[in-house]
Amino acid sequence: EVQLVESGGGLVKPGGSLRLSCAASGFTFSSYSMNWVRQAPGKGLEWVSSISSSSSYIYYADSVKGRFTISRDNAKNSLYLQMNSLRAEDTAVYYCARDSGIAVAPTPIDYWGQGTLVTVSS
Amino acid sequence: QSVLTQPPSVSGAPGQRVTISCTGSSSNIGAGYDVHWYQQLPGTAPKLLIYGNSNRPSGVPDRFSGSKSGTSASLAITGLQAEDEADYYCQSYDSSLSAHVVFGGGTKLTVL
Repeated sequence: EVQLVESGGGLVKPGGSLRLSCAASGFTFSSYSMNWVRQAPGKGLEWVSSISSSSSYIYYADSVKGRFTISRDNAKNSLYLQMNSLRAEDTAVYYCARDSGIAVAPTPIDYWGQGTLVTVSS
Repeated sequence: QSVLTQPPSVSGAPGQRVTISCTGSSSNIGAGYDVHWYQQLPGTAPKLLIYGNSNRPSGVPDRFSGSKSGTSASLAITGLQAEDEADYYCQSYDSSLSAHVVFGGGTKLTVL
C-alpha cells in the first residue's frame, strides 16, 4: 500500500525557516517524480514544487522561488521541503504527492499524504 | 486568481446530473494540454478522479466522466449521491507560467 507521511509542520515567525519531510513507503520511491502542493485555510490547491526521480529536474512556483528548496533522498525514501524567509501567506497545509507516471502532460498526481500544517505568525 | 476558472459552487439533488466547468485559454487547455480532476472530501487529501481529460482511475465509479473541448473542460457527475459532496479541482499546464503546473480555483459541490 502506498503511504506518504508528512512531518515537520508547526508554528513559525515571519522570516523564519522550517523543513518539511515526507516518508514514502509501499512503492519504489526512486522511480517516481514527487511534488509538494499546499492549501491555505479555506482556499484551493496550489502546486508548490516538483522534483524528478533522480533530482535532475526541479521546478518551483513563482510564489516560492528563491525561498523554498525541494530535495529527496532515494536511499531513505524521503522527500523534503526547506522553507526559508517564511511569510504569513505561506500558511497552509502542505501535501506530499506522487506523480503517477502516466504519460500525459501534465502528469497527474495519484497519491497524496495527509498533509502537515504550517502556520506563519508572530 | 488561477488561469483555470471554475465556478465557486454548484448544487444538485440526489439522482440528478451536475457538471463543473474548467475554463482556460490558448496557453493551457486550448494549447492541447491534458486536464485532470481531483475530488477533495471534507477534511481529507485530494483524490485523483479523472486523468487525461476523460480517463477514470481504477475504483472511480462510472458516474464520473470528463470531457474537453477547445479551451474548456468539464466534469460530469450523474446519479448524484450525498457522498459526492466535496470540492472538485481541475489541473493542467499553462505555458505562460514559469513552472507550468496549475490548479483551478475549485468548485464546492453541494448535494441538496
